[in-house]
Amino acid sequence: EPEVTQTPSHQVTQMGQEVILRCVPISNHLYFYWYRQILGQKVEFLVSFYNNEISEKSEIFDDQFSVERPDGSNFTLKIRSTKLEDSAMYFCASKGGSGGKNIQYFGAGTRLSVL
Amino acid sequence: DQQVKQNSPSLSVQEGRISILNCDYTNSMFDYFLWYKKYPAEGPTFLISISSIKDKNEDGRFTVFLNKSAKHLSLHIVPSQPGDSAVYFCAASIQGAQKLVFGQGTRLTINP
Repeated sequence: EPEVTQTPSHQVTQMGQEVILRCVPISNHLYFYWYRQILGQKVEFLVSFYNNEISEKSEIFDDQFSVERPDGSNFTLKIRSTKLEDSAMYFCASKGGSGGKNIQYFGAGTRLSVL
Repeated sequence: DQQVKQNSPSLSVQEGRISILNCDYTNSMFDYFLWYKKYPAEGPTFLISISSIKDKNEDGRFTVFLNKSAKHLSLHIVPSQPGDSAVYFCAASIQGAQKLVFGQGTRLTINP
């Protein structure tokens, strides 16, 4: 069964460093997303990406964050100058088409630890 | 942001009985609702969904009920099995918008 793949599973970084979280969405999907879950809190939407551009973003997704689809398979989230409060699980998701069913399929997540 | 709420952080049910997980929402613009299941160290796995034009959707042991007037939905699992032990998230979206808005999750434990 097709799945969303995320690497690495755990990323440890020093405060102020840049990190890139990687995702391989399901191959024929067109919509891509990043969510995060801070420990003990809700899963929160960060950004959606369609047709090589951001289609929607939350207030969390400020200039510190950027997304890219560098080739036909990968989808990345870059976090510049990481802060302690960026420590969270980051989930990538993808969706097939633009029909009424907003069913998004999630990867296993990357745990980001900022020290 | 309390648009989607799951008021029960945990629920314990005996194997073979019915599990009922509840979810409330405040935004009347939501028109599509989903339930996800999450095991430790895994991402949320899609379980079942319902459009606001329906009040019930069934898939095997899983049934989702939607009460729009009460802004309430529930997930029924019957019969409950040990493998159903997981955290269950309710999520909602608005037509034309991309984001899913999640509840806090309910940890379901099925006891043998």
